[in-house]
Amino acid sequence: EAGVVQSPRYKIIEKKQPVAFWCNPISGHNTLYWYRQNLGQGPELLIRYENEEAVDDSQLPKDRFSAERLKGVDSTLKIQPAELGDSAVYLCASSLDPPDTQYFGPGTRLTVL
Amino acid sequence: GDSVTQMEGPVTLSEEAFLTINCTYTATGYPSLFWYVQYPGEGLQLLLKATKADDKGSNKGFEATYRKETTSFHLEKGSVQVSDSAVYFCALMKGKLIFGQGTELSVKP
Repeated sequence: EAGVVQSPRYKIIEKKQPVAFWCNPISGHNTLYWYRQNLGQGPELLIRYENEEAVDDSQLPKDRFSAERLKGVDSTLKIQPAELGDSAVYLCASSLDPPDTQYFGPGTRLTVL
Repeated sequence: GDSVTQMEGPVTLSEEAFLTINCTYTATGYPSLFWYVQYPGEGLQLLLKATKADDKGSNKGFEATYRKETTSFHLEKGSVQVSDSAVYFCALMKGKLIFGQGTELSVKP
């Protein structure tokens, strides 16, 4: 069974540019999570979806970050415009139902210059 | 608020040494507890979990016991290998995973 798929794996952009990350969860997993992991830190939740609905986006900086999960399957996380402090690894995870075990993708490492 | 505290790394051990990585948590109620491992260049992988007090999670020679009285979930392994070199994250589940800062383990041959 395929795991959580993310793309791209790496992205380097100039500040003020937009960037988007894509995630395809494990088939049948209705809950999807986006986390941000700063260097030397543990991941922190940005947003959680149950099917198409964002049920926890309290930690998402809504002035520049947006996310969508159309049709309740794959998801896109966007930053516009990016800032230097957004440099981090963005992780996607999925689970069958909270609080079931979450399975993580390999992440997208974003570098903002 | 809810939080997880891990011992600071890096931890450097010789092959076949005994490993302990300390983890304590602060949370209301009795959350599920997890250890995740992150190998270089890879994503987080679930190592083991425990869902209630006194439960012992185990996998690949690693063990951790959910201690309610000390609010701890220390990770142990009797004999580490070079291939265990990675970053280990302790986490609790309260609607979302709350992670510790991670502990880097380096095992030398």
